[in-house]
Amino acid sequence: EADIYQTPRYLVIGTGKKITLECSQTMGHDKMYWYQQDPGMELHLIHYSYGVNSTEKGDLSSESTVSRIRTEHFPLTLESARPSHTSQYLCASWAGTGNTGELFFGEGSRLTVL
Amino acid sequence: KNQVEQSPQSLIILEGKNCTLQCNYTVSPFSNLRWYKQDTGRGPVSLTIMTFSENTKSNGRYTATLDADTKQSSLHITASQLSDSASYICVVIRMDSSYKLIFGSGTRLLVRP
Repeated sequence: EADIYQTPRYLVIGTGKKITLECSQTMGHDKMYWYQQDPGMELHLIHYSYGVNSTEKGDLSSESTVSRIRTEHFPLTLESARPSHTSQYLCASWAGTGNTGELFFGEGSRLTVL
Repeated sequence: KNQVEQSPQSLIILEGKNCTLQCNYTVSPFSNLRWYKQDTGRGPVSLTIMTFSENTKSNGRYTATLDADTKQSSLHITASQLSDSASYICVVIRMDSSYKLIFGSGTRLLVRP
């Protein structure tokens, strides 16, 4: 079982603020992902990383950016938050090799931009 | 059109009853299919992974089936409990180097006492 942590769990901020959502995992997984999920809707991949210094954009266009300076840390940043960024953001990491590995999710960060 | 379609969108059942959730997919080439349980406001948790050659797999009161020919999967919940109230998400992985996961929009299950 992987331990993957997201902070903050809940965040309410005003428009124009810069925010960083933190994601850390303790299992040394190379592959990490950020998903965005609106209520009752499917998860959409917005960023992923295959290891240190590797970051790629996902299927859903996002104004957020990510970095991967350390294996265990994959933060997501919004330079200027807007109400359209209100959503739940889920971080995940992939355990194992090949495509029968396991995807572990954090508890999510629910962002509300006023 | 989503490549992974789930039905029903939502379901209400009484505690102790059984239910079956459906997942149809068009993802190709297919590698494996997963069912996740997502409690409200939490991250999804894996219930089962099914590869091409597996027809059925159980995890406690959860039993998943897969028909790779018709590209259909089902998740059967036996003797439902209040704690089964959650969204159940079907995820299909494509068999290529991208390890791309295709998510369904989920079935929202509510178990009432």
